[in-house]
Amino acid sequence: EAQVTQNPRYLITVTGKKLTVTCSQNMNHEYMSWYRQDPGLGLRQIYYSMNVEVTDKGDVPEGYKVSRKEKRNFPLILESPSPNQTSLYFCASSKRVRLAGGHYHTDTQYFGPGTRLTVL
Amino acid sequence: GEDVEQSLFLSVREGDSSVINCTYTDSSSTYLYWYKQEPGAGLQLLTYIFSNMDMKQDQRLTVLLNKKDKHLSLRIADTQTGDSAIYFCAESPSYNTDKLIFGTGTRLQVFP
Repeated sequence: EAQVTQNPRYLITVTGKKLTVTCSQNMNHEYMSWYRQDPGLGLRQIYYSMNVEVTDKGDVPEGYKVSRKEKRNFPLILESPSPNQTSLYFCASSKRVRLAGGHYHTDTQYFGPGTRLTVL
Repeated sequence: GEDVEQSLFLSVREGDSSVINCTYTDSSSTYLYWYKQEPGAGLQLLTYIFSNMDMKQDQRLTVLLNKKDKHLSLRIADTQTGDSAIYFCAESPSYNTDKLIFGTGTRLQVFP
């Protein structure tokens, strides 16, 4: 079954204690992305990756790190979590499609089930 | 700015039509999307429309695109209680077609 998995689904931690949220997809997608969802703000992109060893900042990258050593995995790392990082986090993946004119476009994004993080 | 705007709540009676509206920012956006988020779950793509189209129909769903006003709408016919969810519109801006900019989401509540 084609899917995006995230672990853990729920996490309560304390300020400053490093944590990693894993994300894995089995669809051989080039593109992967992390979002956070906060009430009234919708989804905001944290980091994205267009392929192995290629990552770039999204709209709210401060306080986060990512790596893309393998195509299927895209972990999100919080080196020193703070309470303002309490949120619902989603990982997503998609194919990249080449459009006429040579531009690339990310196709339908498939989302993981979410990780609810609370930082005390 | 890059704000994609939606109203936060919509409440409809079962069997009525629902219309969820969205205003996006980039008049050159190539693709515009509607995603659905059910309680406790991730987002799932409902439908999308390419920028050279004005309308797209898919069973109970109708998407209307007004490029002049940068306005996108999703109409759900014969709304059911199972349609209760948060609906997000998203645009793929022309300056970065690898990016998706999401709206704030509209919570649709369907009551019997």
